[in-house]
Amino acid sequence: DIQMTQSPSTLSASVGDRVTITCRASQNIDTFLAWYQQKPGKAPKLLIYKGSILYSGVPSRFSGSASGAESSLTISSLQPDDFATYYCQQYDVYPWTFGQGTKLEIK
Amino acid sequence: QVQLQESGPGLVKPSQTLSLTCTVSGASLINDQNYWSWIRQPAGKGLEWIGRIYISGSTNYQPSLQSRVTISLDTSKNQVSLKLRSVTAADTAVYFCAKQLVVGGFYYGFDVWGQGTTVTVSS
Repeated sequence: DIQMTQSPSTLSASVGDRVTITCRASQNIDTFLAWYQQKPGKAPKLLIYKGSILYSGVPSRFSGSASGAESSLTISSLQPDDFATYYCQQYDVYPWTFGQGTKLEIK
Repeated sequence: QVQLQESGPGLVKPSQTLSLTCTVSGASLINDQNYWSWIRQPAGKGLEWIGRIYISGSTNYQPSLQSRVTISLDTSKNQVSLKLRSVTAADTAVYFCAKQLVVGGFYYGFDVWGQGTTVTVSS
């Protein structure tokens, strides 16, 4: 299985901050990568697909980049609604796998 | 707009079979060229993809679960089903159904999710 390792596991930040979450795959996954946001008790929401394409309706402060085995999600200016847990997911090789999650907390 | 709704027993005894249904609205399984997946999440933990099915009936499963899992379609009811046999406490989780985003004939991440249903395995 492809292991997806996110860092950091927890991130404390303030409204208005710029934050970046990274995701490293155990092998090259090209841009077969998605990012999700999940809030407690809710299903994940798709933010980014194909490594860097913003899903419809997602605010432009979210952006993604991906190359080889390295990917990142950046939020340019944190808003109160952004404090949540974020997951990366590879869909290049079965079984599809998710990162362990990054919890974004209010500082 | 496609919507998904999971349903099924919230409590299953160890060694029995977990059976869940995902009812699809806003799309017809028989006409929709899409993949339908099941994903689970133990409380306080991360997401695990269980498997997926295409309208043709073709399936892909998580290897660690393959011997115990079956995903099927009921096109007459517009439902996707999950059966997980011989469950243990380790199968306790929130179970989600989800569909993949399709753009230009290519399949990407999961753009529509059900709300999830909690299943507890306990005697």
